Amino acid sequence: QSVLTQPPSASGTPGQRVTISCSGSSSNIGSNYVYWYQQLPGTAPKLLIYRNNQRPSGVPDRFSGSKSGTSASLAISGLRSEDEADYYCAAWDDSLSGLYVFGTGTKVTVL
Amino acid sequence: EMQLVESGGGLVQPGRSLRLSCAASGFTFDDYAMHWVRQAPGKGLEWVSGISWNSGNIGYADSVKGRFTISRDNAKNSLYLQMNSLRAEDTALYYCAKGITGTIVDDYFDYWGQGTLVTVSS
Repeated sequence: QSVLTQPPSASGTPGQRVTISCSGSSSNIGSNYVYWYQQLPGTAPKLLIYRNNQRPSGVPDRFSGSKSGTSASLAISGLRSEDEADYYCAAWDDSLSGLYVFGTGTKVTVL
Repeated sequence: EMQLVESGGGLVQPGRSLRLSCAASGFTFDDYAMHWVRQAPGKGLEWVSGISWNSGNIGYADSVKGRFTISRDNAKNSLYLQMNSLRAEDTALYYCAKGITGTIVDDYFDYWGQGTLVTVSS
């Protein structure tokens, strides 16, 4: 079961800014990097943000990540129809023999 | 071009075994840790297991510990997951994922395969 909590859904109109939260604890987000993955419908997940706020090559700068204490967030600015997807946060958890834990996932809908 | 191609999924009865494979190409396989991540139908992602570049460091999710065994053959650029004592709750799409470092600690996944479906049912 997921130990990182995300809202089940988020939505916005094209051009808007959407923010997704990810709540954890001192053993995961509080002491380790946060990662974000995007999963478009029917496809494999894709790395979106690594080490809290770094974007891999090819990821638009509309996507940004941040972390504070035991929480993290992903912001999508200038929302586009192709951003409609599931988004998962993730982090290593020191309390569970070094397990890698994912968030519960957030479905972003572009209205 | 980097490629990860999973195979070995299928329909299996509870209590039986299945072995998944992941064939890698387009990168130096033995430089990187590799992982298995699964996704039950309509559900979220769950990390299953990871193995370091030289198989010296291995980790498992509590949900599969003692039943699943991860391994790799660097000479064949292949990753494996031996799944024993399968349960209905193991039904999922199993993804092979490439790590960014050689060790599983503090690793993350920069490339994923398309997955192979495992269905555990009588």
